Amino acid sequence: EPEVTQTPSHQVTQMGQEVILRCVPISNHLYFYWYRQILGQKVEFLVSFYNNEISEKSEIFDDQFSVERPDGSNFTLKIRSTKLEDSAMYFCARGKTGGGNEQYFGPGTRLTVT
Amino acid sequence: GNSVTQMEGPVTLSEEAFLTINCTYTATGYPSLFWYVQYPGEGLQLLLKATKADDKGSNKGFEATYRKETTSFHLEKGSVQVSDSAVYFCALLMDSNYQLIWGAGTKLIIKP
Repeated sequence: EPEVTQTPSHQVTQMGQEVILRCVPISNHLYFYWYRQILGQKVEFLVSFYNNEISEKSEIFDDQFSVERPDGSNFTLKIRSTKLEDSAMYFCARGKTGGGNEQYFGPGTRLTVT
Repeated sequence: GNSVTQMEGPVTLSEEAFLTINCTYTATGYPSLFWYVQYPGEGLQLLLKATKADDKGSNKGFEATYRKETTSFHLEKGSVQVSDSAVYFCALLMDSNYQLIWGAGTKLIIKP
């Protein structure tokens, strides 16, 4: 199954700035997920999104983070005021068409906060 | 809590060697188990999965069997190729939520 695309591939921002990371599914899906991987650490779950609502979020996903699907297609992760420790690879994933618990990932966005 | 432990890498093998990457898990309940692969410069690709005890997942010559008695899901391949060089991640997913829990990843290097 085709995965998702993510833009940008690399984002450099200054501390305190807002960033928006985008995830574009190839076809219409209902389940989406964001994960991140800080360099040298494990991949960590951030949030799951079903039918245009957050269904689960981790402790990492605090008030600085938000997700939305503004146009019914693109799925975005916003970080309101970036910190140095937000520097990581951010992966978007979608659920499987027709059921099943597989998650299919995009290529990731590397966020560098300076 | 739930967790996944993988063997540390890098694992370096010669082409056509037999591969095993160990993965064990701790879970309260019966998770689904996955292997993902990340080739250099690319994203996380689902390689195979198993959803219950004794299930065997397989894809592209790779196999892994869900062993409930040893809480393991070791990845194996009979004859590796240079193109298999990548980072391999073991992960679990509980029925009660959508949060994949990941191992640290094992880097595999195959030399010609």
